[in-house]
Parts: sequence; structure tokens; C-alpha cells
Amino acid sequence: QVQLQESGPGLVKPSETLSLTCTVSGYYIGRAYFWGWVRQSPGKGLEWLASIHHSRGIDYNASLRSRLTISIDTSKNQFFLKLTSVTAADTAVYYCVRDDWVPDYWGQGTLVTVSS
Amino acid sequence: QSALTQPPSASGSPGQSVTISCTGTSSDVGSHNYVSWYQQYPGKAPKVMIYEVNKRPSGVPDRFSGSKSGNTASLTVSGLQAEDEADYYCSSYVGGGIEYVFGTGTKVTVL
Repeated sequence: QVQLQESGPGLVKPSETLSLTCTVSGYYIGRAYFWGWVRQSPGKGLEWLASIHHSRGIDYNASLRSRLTISIDTSKNQFFLKLTSVTAADTAVYYCVRDDWVPDYWGQGTLVTVSS
Repeated sequence: QSALTQPPSASGSPGQSVTISCTGTSSDVGSHNYVSWYQQYPGKAPKVMIYEVNKRPSGVPDRFSGSKSGNTASLTVSGLQAEDEADYYCSSYVGGGIEYVFGTGTKVTVL
């Protein structure tokens, strides 16, 4: 059974960088699939952020591309997200997902609050 | 890429059916069969209920069904049960690399 688990700081100061890790169990991420990040602002809908494949490349949400970096470490079966210059608008639950064209497996999500 | 359009709310009495629409464009819903539907309870992660327009993952009741016509996909929940009260989101692959877009979400209420 594929399982994903997000980890990272729950509180980030405005203008700083949000950094998250997704640890995958039950599937080797270097085998196949894209692996991505989706967020959900409080009371709002879902927003795809970025996805990465160990050999096929990276894709970013165009509206956030300049602030996003996604990376992968197949040796640790982990992938990562960095979002720079955060503001209160970046406060959200961040989910890591496995992408089978669209997400099929989801982590439980981690709430990141941007506040001083 | 704009969000797919869903009605904000839908409702039905137990045993009735409810259908939720998901309207996109010829660049997303209309171009691919990679359309999924997710059920989300408050404070929980979304769960796949339908994938590739009309396929059900194992464990999802056959009360849930999906379809697509042109640029609009639909989710039908038949024989509504109290446990079906949740938010529902659609998602469609857009193309290029792995870009995809979500719907605006529909809150289903069981009366």
C-alpha cells in the first residue's frame, strides 16, 4: 500500500521560505510516476503546485513558477518542495501526492501558517 | 490554467440521486479521459472516488458513477446515504508535462 507523509514547519514567517518533505513508503519513487504537491487554503479549493519524475522532468504551476522549487531524492524515497517569499496568502494545508496523470494517492496533509 | 467549474452545492434526500457537473474546456476535460473525482470530509485528505472518467477504485461503492460529454464531466451518486455528505472535487489532466487542474468543489448535503 502506497503511503505518503508530509513533514515540515507548521509556522513560517512572511518573506521567508517554506520547505516541506514528503516521505513515501510502499513504493519506490524511482520506479515510475510523477510525484507532486497540492495545497488547499482554508475554506478554499485545491490547487496543484508542482510535480516531478525522477527521469522525465519537472512541471510547475505557471502562476507560482518563480517561487517554487521541487526536488527528489530516490535514495531516501523522498521528494521536497520549497516556496520562497511567502505571504499570508500561502497559508494552506499542503498535500503531497502521487500523480497518475492526476493524483491517486494523497498524504494526510500538513497545515502551514504564514505569520510573524 | 483556470479552475474547472462546479456548482457550489447539491443536495438530495436519502435514497435519491444527485449529479454534480464539472465544466472545463477543450484543452482539459474535452481533450483527455484523465478526469477524476475526489470526496473530501472536513479536515481529511481527498479520496479518489472515480478515475479516468468512469472507473471506480476497489472499495468505492458502485453507487458512485462518472461520465463525460464534450467539455463537461459528471459524477452521479445514486441511493444517497448520510455518509455521502462531503465536498466533492473533480480534476482533469491538462497536457504538456503533468499539469492538471481541479474543480471549484461542490458541497453535497444529504437532507
